[in-house]
Amino acid sequence: AQTVTQSQPEMSVQEAETVTLSCTYDTSESNYYLFWYKQPPSRQMILVIRQEAYKQQNATENRFSVNFQKAAKSFSLKISDSQLGDTAMYFCAFLIHFGNEKLTFGTGTRLTIIP
Amino acid sequence: EAQVTQNPRYLITVTGKKLTVTCSQNMNHEYMSWYRQDPGLGLRQIYYSMNVEVTDKGDVPEGYKVSRKEKRNFPLILESPSPNQTSLYFCASSLGGQGFNQPQHFGDGTRLSIL
Repeated sequence: AQTVTQSQPEMSVQEAETVTLSCTYDTSESNYYLFWYKQPPSRQMILVIRQEAYKQQNATENRFSVNFQKAAKSFSLKISDSQLGDTAMYFCAFLIHFGNEKLTFGTGTRLTIIP
Repeated sequence: EAQVTQNPRYLITVTGKKLTVTCSQNMNHEYMSWYRQDPGLGLRQIYYSMNVEVTDKGDVPEGYKVSRKEKRNFPLILESPSPNQTSLYFCASSLGGQGFNQPQHFGDGTRLSIL
């Protein structure tokens, strides 16, 4: 069974600063996918960024980037130039693309951007 | 506009009164899934469906039923709701199979309170 661990329940950072959210996972699979989802107070689930495990290059999406360390089973999210709209719950998730495309989620990190 | 629509958004009801949460997608997706979100636990899969008339249990199926009679609809049924089913529920859909490069789309969530 796959597990996803987010060890930081809450974080806060000043606006315009950089923040890194941690995520580790455990799996015996070699081909899988990793995601970060954002859940603002409106409670929508918004895909922030995704990474295919077979790709060594770290994914980036504007101010969001990941540090994917496959051997260490680590998948952290870096938010640069943080903005007030980044205040949200962030979930790390894992998916094996075979059969049930279930997303296995971590418990989330509540991020607050301070003006 | 591509979307997953859940109804109702909020529901307060009493123990034992059957209820149905509807989910509909307009993207011709084959794969649909239900998750529940609880504090400190992240999102956990309840049931999933890989196509019409094909459904299977996720990680926490007890007390729930689903059906997939049409491709676009995937209702979640609570035959005899209990207070431990008080939660935030999400429906999600994706192309499935070879459509992995398309992300899973989430509905806006349904907040259920069972008294």
